[in-house]
Amino acid sequence: EAEVAQSPRYKITEKSQAVAFWCDPISGHATLYWYRQILGQGPELLVQFQDESVVDDSQLPKDRFSAERLKGVDSTLKIQPAELGDSAMYLCASSLTTSALRHIQYFGAGTRLSVL
Amino acid sequence: KNQVEQSPQSLIILEGKNCTLQCNYTVSPFSNLRWYKQDTGRGPVSLTIMTFSENTKSNGRYTATLDADTKQSSLHITASQLSDSASYICVVSRLFIMTTDSWGKFQFGAGTQVVVTP
Repeated sequence: EAEVAQSPRYKITEKSQAVAFWCDPISGHATLYWYRQILGQGPELLVQFQDESVVDDSQLPKDRFSAERLKGVDSTLKIQPAELGDSAMYLCASSLTTSALRHIQYFGAGTRLSVL
Repeated sequence: KNQVEQSPQSLIILEGKNCTLQCNYTVSPFSNLRWYKQDTGRGPVSLTIMTFSENTKSNGRYTATLDADTKQSSLHITASQLSDSASYICVVSRLFIMTTDSWGKFQFGAGTQVVVTP
């Protein structure tokens, strides 16, 4: 069964360092999402791509976070510099399209980030 | 403000028993409501999706209901199993309509943590 791949699974970094997360969506999925999930809370959307274009990045802290999906396939989320409050699970999800109102989001296993 | 509130925050049930989780929302305009199951350390997995016209949807031992008038939904777990121990997240999609496309923007609840004990 096709899955959304994310790496690394775990990342420990020090404050002010740069970190990067990678996501490979299910083949053929045009829409890709990056979420941040703090322990005990629901996921919060950071950025949404339709192919290589950003559809929604209204909640992305652009002073330190950046995301790209250059060829409309895999994607990278970067944080520079990392802060203590960035410690969270970073989830990537993909779906066939945003146009179909009943489309299903498929989530990856996530990257657990700890900032020391 | 578009919000999704879930209750209870957590619950413990005995294996074999039933339980019901609640979700109230103020998201508008409404597109659809989803329930996800999230195992510890994993990404959420979709259980059900309901649009405005649907008031019940089942997936095995999981049954979701939707009352779009009162903006309430519930997820009922029948004959719970140890593998049902997880966080259950209610997600409501807002509808955005553009001239050439439409899409949903998802609002996630905080989840209900369910623990099934032997």
